Amino acid sequence: DSGVTQTPKHLITATGQRVTLRCSPRSGDLSVYWYQQSLDQGLQFLIQYYNGEERAKGNILERFSAQQFPDLHSELNLSSLELGDSALYFCASSGGDTPYEQYFGPGTRLTVT
Amino acid sequence: KNEVEQSPQNLTAQEGEFITINCSYSVGISALHWLQQHPGGGIVSLFMLSSGKKKHGRLIATINIQEKHSSLHITASHPRDSAVYICAVHPLQGAQKLVFGQGTRLTINP
Repeated sequence: DSGVTQTPKHLITATGQRVTLRCSPRSGDLSVYWYQQSLDQGLQFLIQYYNGEERAKGNILERFSAQQFPDLHSELNLSSLELGDSALYFCASSGGDTPYEQYFGPGTRLTVT
Repeated sequence: KNEVEQSPQNLTAQEGEFITINCSYSVGISALHWLQQHPGGGIVSLFMLSSGKKKHGRLIATINIQEKHSSLHITASHPRDSAVYICAVHPLQGAQKLVFGQGTRLTINP
């Protein structure tokens, strides 16, 4: 158990809908990272937050947004969903802003039908 | 060409064999991770290293910064080592993000 929690575990929704994925980092960790793992693209970095502020952005679509709240949990919002958004979404946390060991959550499997 | 390349893509071996998975990258990095992903999907961080060698149990990771190459070794492999092993790097530019290799699927037969 990494100490990082993600909810929900599974999500099935229709095209055009909007969903919110939630992540709680390990106790004391200030950084949260979001990753997408699809069958054709592998693992890709989406976005990082550090202590409530956006720190780095990767290949995140404009239809996706994220935020980190004062209690350090984070949410990833996916809107106008397309079939290609079906993937595993992982959140990870680490203690700091510079490269640190990252602890991964169990992931949320999103299926868009 | 991907910034991070792993070889082999698939590896099948017999229990007890010594396993080596390689990772080459084309950018300057501040650190490199080896991750393990089991069939259930969960990802575990095995090592983070920026120089030299690290060992944990039967796992050994090495990195050569000058040659932009890292290896993950498994000694006395066991069927429970069957998983996908993923190499990921923190580029010097944009060090917060991770850039991932495509993974190596390892199967250890009893």
